[in-house]
Amino acid sequence: QSALTQPASVSGSPGQSITISCTGSSSDVGGYNSVSWYQQNPGKAPKLMIYDVSNRPSGVSNRFSGSKSGNTASLTISGLQAEDEADYYCSSYRSGSTLVFGGGTKVTVL
Amino acid sequence: QVQLQESGPGLVKPSETLSLTCTVSGASISSYYWSWIRQPPGKGLEWIGYIYDSGSTKYNPSLKSRVTISVDTSKNQFSLNLGSVAAADTAVYFCTRGSKLYYFDYWGQGTLVTVSS
Repeated sequence: QSALTQPASVSGSPGQSITISCTGSSSDVGGYNSVSWYQQNPGKAPKLMIYDVSNRPSGVSNRFSGSKSGNTASLTISGLQAEDEADYYCSSYRSGSTLVFGGGTKVTVL
Repeated sequence: QVQLQESGPGLVKPSETLSLTCTVSGASISSYYWSWIRQPPGKGLEWIGYIYDSGSTKYNPSLKSRVTISVDTSKNQFSLNLGSVAAADTAVYFCTRGSKLYYFDYWGQGTLVTVSS
């Protein structure tokens, strides 16, 4: 099954805001409010950062926010910090009760 | 707190079956959604499948013919069998819990499985 589309890399300076996009179709991102975002540091398991498009789990900084418009979901990191440098993956429910990930985005803090 | 731990062989021969077990503590295996996810070296995440309700399953269509996920409620474990493996199945395999079907709120540390003769 085809993956969701994310940019390979996004960069920003400390304090800036960056946005990562995640594009799918009406069968996944656009059809359901079931997008989640994960942060993965090298050699570690991914960590849930956003669920249900825009909800933050307890303990996740409010500098992370999520949104969706049509078939594209977005993760915004405000007040970028060095510790935010990591890989980020989106995921969505897809019709047929399956799940699909994006290809991942490497965030670099300049 | 909730903890998940993968276990199983780190090396599997081509054409054989990859078998992994995830031991869960701090949560009942009879509740929630339990998934397997893999990540080939240097690549992205791929959802393999999930089990819920102590036995209902759903698999990635691209792997469906080779995958079986099962649960052992007496041991609070769930397992992955992936048949007819090839080098492309070399990956870090993660077991996860989802409070809902479509997100993963707890992850195991992952275990690297290499397919090689």
